[in-house]
Amino acid sequence: AQTVTQSQPEMSVQEAETVTLSCTYDTSESDYYLFWYKQPPSRQMILVIRQEAYKQQNATENRFSVNFQKAAKSFSLKISDSQLGDAAMYFCAYVNQKLVFGQGTRLTINP
Amino acid sequence: GAVVSQHPSWVICKSGTSVKIECRSLDFQATTMFWYRQFPKQSLMLMATSNEGSKATYEQGVEKDKFLINHASLTLSTLTVTSAHPEDSSFYICSARDPRGQDTQYFGPGTRLTVL
Repeated sequence: AQTVTQSQPEMSVQEAETVTLSCTYDTSESDYYLFWYKQPPSRQMILVIRQEAYKQQNATENRFSVNFQKAAKSFSLKISDSQLGDAAMYFCAYVNQKLVFGQGTRLTINP
Repeated sequence: GAVVSQHPSWVICKSGTSVKIECRSLDFQATTMFWYRQFPKQSLMLMATSNEGSKATYEQGVEKDKFLINHASLTLSTLTVTSAHPEDSSFYICSARDPRGQDTQYFGPGTRLTVL
């Protein structure tokens, strides 16, 4: 069975600094997608970034980028120039038919 | 990104009554929708996969007679919590898979259910 592990229950960063959230996963599949979702206090799940496993190039969306290491089954999220609005729970997720979520990392932004 | 709505956003009901939650994809057709349950400070737990025009697929441990799912059209899936009890109180979230979007699921805003 596929599993997703986020080893950092909580992280904090100073506003305008850079933070990296870790995620590892386990699968025997070769073709799949990986996602980072953000859940702010409103509890609305928001797609942050998506990575296709067959693409070697790391995905980037504005201040958000990933470091995808397929052989190591690692998929970390880097947030640059952190803003107060980035404070949220962040979930890493793997999909092959259905989403499997990690346990989440609560990110706090210190002003 | 694609938009998914969910209604109601919160509901309070008496023990023993049934509650229906609607999930709609507003700007795309979703042949597959998903229902999740989320307990406080925990991750999302998949309850079932809802397929348009066919029976839902339930995850292990989820009572299909308790949580009735209907996916009657390409834009609407409903979850009915039957004979609700206080232990069913939770945050329920739906998502819809956008067929144009490489397996991407877009989420509704969630429904907070409180059973008295």
